Amino acid sequence: NAGVTQTPKFQVLKTGQSMTLQCAQDMNHNSMYWYRQDPGMGLRLIYYSASEGTTDKGEVPNGYNVSRLNKREFSLRLESAAPSQTSVYFCASSGFHGSNYGYTFGSGTRLTVV
Amino acid sequence: RKEVEQDPGPFNVPEGATVAFNCTYSNSASQSFFWYRQDCRKEPKLLMSVYSSGNEDGRFTAQLNRASQYISLLIRDSKLSDSATYLCVVNRVDSSYKLIFGSGTRLLVRP
Repeated sequence: NAGVTQTPKFQVLKTGQSMTLQCAQDMNHNSMYWYRQDPGMGLRLIYYSASEGTTDKGEVPNGYNVSRLNKREFSLRLESAAPSQTSVYFCASSGFHGSNYGYTFGSGTRLTVV
Repeated sequence: RKEVEQDPGPFNVPEGATVAFNCTYSNSASQSFFWYRQDCRKEPKLLMSVYSSGNEDGRFTAQLNRASQYISLLIRDSKLSDSATYLCVVNRVDSSYKLIFGSGTRLLVRP
């Protein structure tokens, strides 16, 4: 099983460019999440989708948009990248929102905005 | 103040040592608790859930103190392969039910 797959693994953008981070899971999970991780800050939730057809803002949604394309896929879009968005981005999924079983994470996307 | 606080470390211990990490959380509505492990430049992986009565998984023991709002992780007989960052995670009982991550405690186990 692949689990949670993220693409790309690395990306360098210029300020103002746009891009979409892709995430897909093959575990038939209902809920999916996008986090960013910065040194000393821990993981911070950007957006989440508790179930197919719904999306909600997390702790740090500004500058991002998301699409829950279907049950498997949840994409994160940066419309106009800024240096402050340089970070490692992780997608995660869980069986149900509020699950006591924790999350499964993808391997991450390392994004640098110059 | 962060909702989940951890000592960043690093904790530098010899192989075979016992080491303990603590974590405090500020929101009393927190319901579920976890320890995740994150290796350098890798994704977090679930190490163990933390139950009210405390629980053990091999060399790892997790404890929860709801009254004082802290969680602990004890690692016995440390191995070189235990070197990683350990993330304390809580799940709030409110309309959001989102996982809240601590910044992590780094452990270095030396030969």
